[in-house]
Amino acid sequence: QKEVEQDPGPLSVPEGAIVSLNCTYSNSAFQYFMWYRQYSRKGPELLMYTYSSGNKEDGRFTAQVDKSSKYISLFIRDSQPSDSATYLCAMSASIETSYDKVIFGPGTSLSVIP
Amino acid sequence: EPEVTQTPSHQVTQMGQEVILRCVPISNHLYFYWYRQILGQKVEFLVSFYNNEISEKSEIFDDQFSVERPDGSNFTLKIRSTKLEDSAMYFCASSDLNRIYEQYFGPGTRLTVT
Repeated sequence: QKEVEQDPGPLSVPEGAIVSLNCTYSNSAFQYFMWYRQYSRKGPELLMYTYSSGNKEDGRFTAQVDKSSKYISLFIRDSQPSDSATYLCAMSASIETSYDKVIFGPGTSLSVIP
Repeated sequence: EPEVTQTPSHQVTQMGQEVILRCVPISNHLYFYWYRQILGQKVEFLVSFYNNEISEKSEIFDDQFSVERPDGSNFTLKIRSTKLEDSAMYFCASSDLNRIYEQYFGPGTRLTVT
């Protein structure tokens, strides 16, 4: 089983739609969960991070973590064409273990159609 | 807004040659990282660096790789004898000591080994 799994897409939605992006993972030591956005041929850009379980909202973005199911989600409300990119989930273990190694998912490609 | 910078943006080299990729992390950050992304694949952790030494490295980071902070601002990745399979985007990242899960990535260096 891969450490972090993510549906690669591509996912195509109309402008204004709510987008749901998901990742599953196998390592129960992961405590920090991040979402990055990567435009073509650019570096990943940190969107949001959460610690442990729960929800976090930032503008049009909401991140959810369900540690019991080893499942994380990113919701994008009122999606815009500028949201078209690849979305990477990433995770890191707690400070008691290998706390600075970040493991990335393979990314989901999103296209928002005007 | 402070950002991570990388040079060169594109490096072409012949197999067996040495290359040095350069990064200037965000000035008040103390943790530095190198990642690579082979075309079409996921972002992979190579190495983390703190207090002038490697804090963690992946199995990819073998003896042909080395990192250095030669002065107060630069952070370099050296590949001693490049192989065709080293062709990839190499991303430098940095983070604050107390928020290591908030890693900020540079734009990357595209390395092409011929």
